[in-house]
Amino acid sequence: SQQGEEDPQALSIQEGENATMNCSYKTSINNLQWYRQNSGRGLVHLILIRSNEREKHSGRLRVTLDTSKKSSSLLITASRAADTASYFCATDEIQGAQKLVFGQGTRLTINP
Amino acid sequence: DAMVIQNPRYQVTQFGKPVTLSCSQTLNHNVMYWYQQKSSQAPKLLFHYYDKDFNNEADTPDNFQSRRPNTSFCFLDIRSPGLGDAAMYLCATSRPPGGYWDEQFFGPGTRLTVL
Repeated sequence: SQQGEEDPQALSIQEGENATMNCSYKTSINNLQWYRQNSGRGLVHLILIRSNEREKHSGRLRVTLDTSKKSSSLLITASRAADTASYFCATDEIQGAQKLVFGQGTRLTINP
Repeated sequence: DAMVIQNPRYQVTQFGKPVTLSCSQTLNHNVMYWYQQKSSQAPKLLFHYYDKDFNNEADTPDNFQSRRPNTSFCFLDIRSPGLGDAAMYLCATSRPPGGYWDEQFFGPGTRLTVL
């Protein structure tokens, strides 16, 4: 299956700093989503951006989408210790069997 | 609060001993999914139900089966668990009409250990 690739695989920053995670995918999509997963828990939906949107904000989250480059970024501003989690992008592919395909994730650690 | 519930949260079984994981939802969503997630990996879709229609992923082993007796409940049956089936199993739901690949709501997961 074609998965998104996330970069970096792991990121460690100080509390208060901004965190940026990137996601690349391979096929045309309807939308791209970002999810957060705390250790040993289920995934929590953060934000959805549609293929005709370029940027979206939700609180301290900012997501961009560049369909020409097949890439997206998630920016978390003013990070907090509670933001420590794994972050996954997920895409639905227009062609072929539609399903939500997750990237490998970025493991974010916020140091107090 | 409307939610997705998975029971049990932790399940230990023996090699080859059938096990059933359960998922229930109070969201009244049409679509229910089962994912397998191994350590430090992406969730991998095993199958999903759109109402009563079952959709199996091509690479899901026959060892994995599912039942959805009604809208609220969905079960994952592992007929003969192997050591490689040890993983977190995640249940999720979603509801059209946005497109049933839109936002999914996940349960907390069941961590399966195979001895």
